[in-house]
Amino acid sequence: DAKTTQPNSMESNEEEPVHLPCNHSTISGTDYIHWYRQLPSQGPEYVIHGLTSNVNNRMASLAIAEDRKSSTLILHRATLRDAAVYYCIPNSGTYKYIFGTGTRLKVLA
Amino acid sequence: GAGVSQSPSNKVTEKGKDVELRCDPISGHTALYWYRQSLGQGLEFLIYFQGNSAPDKSGLPSDRFSAERTGGSVSTLTIQRTQQEDSAVYLCASSPVGTRSSGNTIYFGEGSWLTVV
Repeated sequence: DAKTTQPNSMESNEEEPVHLPCNHSTISGTDYIHWYRQLPSQGPEYVIHGLTSNVNNRMASLAIAEDRKSSTLILHRATLRDAAVYYCIPNSGTYKYIFGTGTRLKVLA
Repeated sequence: GAGVSQSPSNKVTEKGKDVELRCDPISGHTALYWYRQSLGQGLEFLIYFQGNSAPDKSGLPSDRFSAERTGGSVSTLTIQRTQQEDSAVYLCASSPVGTRSSGNTIYFGEGSWLTVV
């Protein structure tokens, strides 16, 4: 699976958009890009995933660069409940999801 | 229940004792995973079960760790002769099929917090 680089931490004001970047320059052509988040004292939860096209769901949007070497998770209006560690995970179809250390998002009231 | 259920939620044990951690996956999910997360660290893959296939045990850190899955449903992770470095959150997850489709979602339980004193 591809190696990823994410900022260790980010801050956002409440009700403002947040863009969480991830670099995955060694991604293969068939790797999906998954995003999970882990709220305090909880197991990770699925956020969104995509292959090439940008994706939207009720939680977030995923913008994937044309060369697929990076992607950005977009939270359109951050709330205090969005404070979590966000993991970007390229996956080649194996079950060994490699979570890394992710980005710790702090949301300021 | 609707989600992945783990027990106990918290366990404090003395060094050298054995512990068992239990996972009830979501009904109908054929794939089951165990991960470990030490304080402030990322998730470490331990073991994977898929249906009746032989489990992938390649992530188990030592022979003190073992896991089984009975009847394709409930799983037990056993740690023998616990050490202080075993202190961590042990997370179980399940998914409806093995994730070879790349698009599959895995669902996590809330974890079992193990403290070895």
